[in-house]
Amino acid sequence: EAQVTQNPRYLITVTGKKLTVTCSQNMNHEYMSWYRQDPGLGLRQIYYSMNVEVTDKGDVPEGYKVSRKEKRNFPLILESPSPNQTSLYFCASSWKYTDTQYFGPGTRLTVL
Amino acid sequence: KQEVTQIPAALSVPEGENLVLNCSFTDSAIYNLQWFRQDPGKGLTSLLLIQSSQREQTSGRLNASLDKSSGRSTLYIAASQPGDSATYLCAVRNQGAQKLVFGQGTRLTINP
Repeated sequence: EAQVTQNPRYLITVTGKKLTVTCSQNMNHEYMSWYRQDPGLGLRQIYYSMNVEVTDKGDVPEGYKVSRKEKRNFPLILESPSPNQTSLYFCASSWKYTDTQYFGPGTRLTVL
Repeated sequence: KQEVTQIPAALSVPEGENLVLNCSFTDSAIYNLQWFRQDPGKGLTSLLLIQSSQREQTSGRLNASLDKSSGRSTLYIAASQPGDSATYLCAVRNQGAQKLVFGQGTRLTINP
């Protein structure tokens, strides 16, 4: 089944404890991106990747890192999480960035 | 800067009705527009993608129209069912831009 998977789906952590949210797609998509969704602010892009080893900042990249070493994986790294990073995170992918976006199921992160 | 607005924020209708969801955008220089549905606690599911050169797209009971010059798109849902209850999001991609700009969504409830 063609899909975008994210792990973990739910995470509660404490300020400053490094964490990684994984994202993997099995559709051989070139383009991948990360969004966060917050009440009243909607979905905002954090980082995106046009292809392997090519990443760039979105609208709200502060406090996040990404890497794209393999085509299928695009992990989101929070080196030192803070409470303002409590949010619902989505990974998305597509063949090209202009194509239909396929979203993962989301990761609900709470930083205490 | 592109801004996407969806009004109303919430809509409740009885089962069987035909309904229209609205999406407006401020910059008409778009490449395409995508409608998504989001179920509580789940990711976004792409419903329809309409290119800037198209006037409408259809999938089953759904029909999306696009009027670029007036900065508007509508999603028409025929013969609504309780299973259509979800939040519907509109997202726009500008010409030459890689990211989607999302509206805040319309939360739709279909009452049996």
